Amino acid sequence: ETGVTQTPRHLVMGMTNKKSLKCEQHLGHNAMYWYKQSAKKPLELMFVYSLEERVENNSVPSRFSPECPNSSHLFLHLHTLQPEDSALYLCASSQDTATSTLAKNIQYFGAGTRLSVL
Amino acid sequence: AQSVAQPEDQVNVAEGNPLTVKCTYSVSGNPYLFWYVQYPNRGLQFLLKYITGDNLVKGSYGFEAEFNKSQTSFHLKKPSALVSDSALYFCAVRDSYGGSQGNLIFGKGTKLSVKP
Repeated sequence: ETGVTQTPRHLVMGMTNKKSLKCEQHLGHNAMYWYKQSAKKPLELMFVYSLEERVENNSVPSRFSPECPNSSHLFLHLHTLQPEDSALYLCASSQDTATSTLAKNIQYFGAGTRLSVL
Repeated sequence: AQSVAQPEDQVNVAEGNPLTVKCTYSVSGNPYLFWYVQYPNRGLQFLLKYITGDNLVKGSYGFEAEFNKSQTSFHLKKPSALVSDSALYFCAVRDSYGGSQGNLIFGKGTKLSVKP
């Protein structure tokens, strides 16, 4: 167990559905991340939150909407997705994001949500 | 721009033999380098990191990695592979300037298969 829990583990949705992915970390960390993992492609960083404030958005389509209500919880709201959005979505947390405290940047990952868009 | 290359999609090793998983990088400043492992149906797990100091870094599960500045490489190694080492291995880098909040850039991963 890494201390980062993602639910659900598997999700199948149609293109017109609205669903949400949930991530919870029990490590007391200040930073949380969403990644997309597709077959044979590098991990794609989607969003970064530090102290509940979004600090990075890597040009992710608006059909993905993150929410960070507190430092322990991170959501990814999904609506009108496309089949190419099918992937493993990973959440991670780290103590900090600052360069000066690199030891605090080690990211701890959840097991992911396997999303299939039909 | 920062980048990471893992030139091998898959590495096959017999149990008990040494293993190497290759990684090369490109950064603007001094590199901070990481290896993560992903077992089936699991998230990524941190293995080891290089920040500064000794070029040979030791990590979890008997793995080690050697930082080579002249070759801009950070290959992952283990003297004697186990079947249980079979997994997907990711190399990651960030630079010391903290660009993009110093976020990690991951390679595409190398699948390690250890046969009995």
